[in-house]
Amino acid sequence: QVQLQESGPGLVKPSETLSLTCTVSGGSINNYYWSWIRQPPGNRLEWIGFVYYTGSTNLNPSLKSRVGMSVDTSKNQFSLRLSSVTAADTAVYYCARATGPKWDLPYFDFWGQGSLVTVSS
Amino acid sequence: DIQMTQSPSSLSASVGDRVTITCRASQGIRNYLAWFQQTPGKAPKSLIYAASTLQSGVPSKFSGSGSGTDFTLTISNLQPADFATYYCQQYYNFPWTFGQGTKVEIK
Repeated sequence: QVQLQESGPGLVKPSETLSLTCTVSGGSINNYYWSWIRQPPGNRLEWIGFVYYTGSTNLNPSLKSRVGMSVDTSKNQFSLRLSSVTAADTAVYYCARATGPKWDLPYFDFWGQGSLVTVSS
Repeated sequence: DIQMTQSPSSLSASVGDRVTITCRASQGIRNYLAWFQQTPGKAPKSLIYAASTLQSGVPSKFSGSGSGTDFTLTISNLQPADFATYYCQQYYNFPWTFGQGTKVEIK
């Protein structure tokens, strides 16, 4: 069974960069799309973007100027960086896998437990 | 962005009941719709993709239907483990977007 686990600081200061890593176990990182999604308190889920195992990315335009994603196939990990954070970036951050046949659009199948990140001085 | 609207936002039901949740997209998304279940403190669980295809291991008490802009998730024979929040999500266009969630509570 594929498992995903987020890791990273739970507290980030305003204007600094939020960094999270997702470690994938029970399966390979190859041939899948690896995504980050967040959920601010009381709000709906928001898709941040995904990174393909090759390193190519597709990012939500609302966050694109502040977001970076990367993948490390040797460690079966992928990462999120969100710069210039404010209190509005306080949220539970989830990592997830998207899959599907190459001729069709990918969909989520496995999710991590989520990691609460609070932006505060 | 495609807006996803779920109704109702919450509902109360009893063990053994059958419930239906609706999800509407602001424009046609063919059948590129997924459903997820979330319980407090746990990872979201993928239930359905392509509007009606069950993820591996998901029991047949869950069913989905719809195409275009209107979709439904039906849960039959509600059990205590089914009381959770359910989300729909479109993956037809970027950015992928989610509904606001429907909380299914015990009556």
